[in-house]
Amino acid sequence: AQSVTQLGSHVSVSEGALVLLRCNYSSSVPPYLFWYVQYPNQGLQLLLKYTTGATLVKGINGFEAEFKKSETSFHLTKPSAHMSDAAEYFCAVSEGGFQKLVFGTGTRLLVSP
Amino acid sequence: GAVVSQHPSWVICKSGTSVKIECRSLDFQATTMFWYRQFPKQSLMLMATSNEGSKATYEQGVEKDKFLINHASLTLSTLTVTSAHPEDSSFYICSAQGRNSYEQYFGPGTRLTVT
Repeated sequence: AQSVTQLGSHVSVSEGALVLLRCNYSSSVPPYLFWYVQYPNQGLQLLLKYTTGATLVKGINGFEAEFKKSETSFHLTKPSAHMSDAAEYFCAVSEGGFQKLVFGTGTRLLVSP
Repeated sequence: GAVVSQHPSWVICKSGTSVKIECRSLDFQATTMFWYRQFPKQSLMLMATSNEGSKATYEQGVEKDKFLINHASLTLSTLTVTSAHPEDSSFYICSAQGRNSYEQYFGPGTRLTVT
């Protein structure tokens, strides 16, 4: 069975600083990996996804993530944080395209001026 | 982009009553819909997967008689919480997946409060 570990329930950065949110996964087959963002009392919005091919994936709002098979990681980065980036971020894995998603516990990103 | 709506966005009901939550795919046909539950400051937990015209598949530990799921059409799935109790209070989120796409599109969620 697949699983996701997100290190750090809270991450605080200053506006303009680098954002790094960590995600490690476990999967018995080549994984599909996703990052979602959730604003308070709202559903999830897909930031980016990795299925196959290029391991560096670019998403919306300047975010990107790199799939590293050797490290079983899929960390999310953004070069320069913006106040509007403050939200909850979830990493998720599925074992193939039409399989259920398994979510990590989430990381709350706090951005200070 | 694909849009999924949920109705209502929030609901308060009394203990012992039932409440129905609707999930609609507005601009695509959803062959599969998923229902998740999210407790405050926690992650999403998959409750069940429903395919159009078929019975839902429930995750281990989810009471199928309590959480009734119907996926009668390619654009609508409903979750009915029967005989609700305060511990059923939660944020319920649905997602929809199209026929030829593995991507799940999430609804905005429904906050249920049982008093």
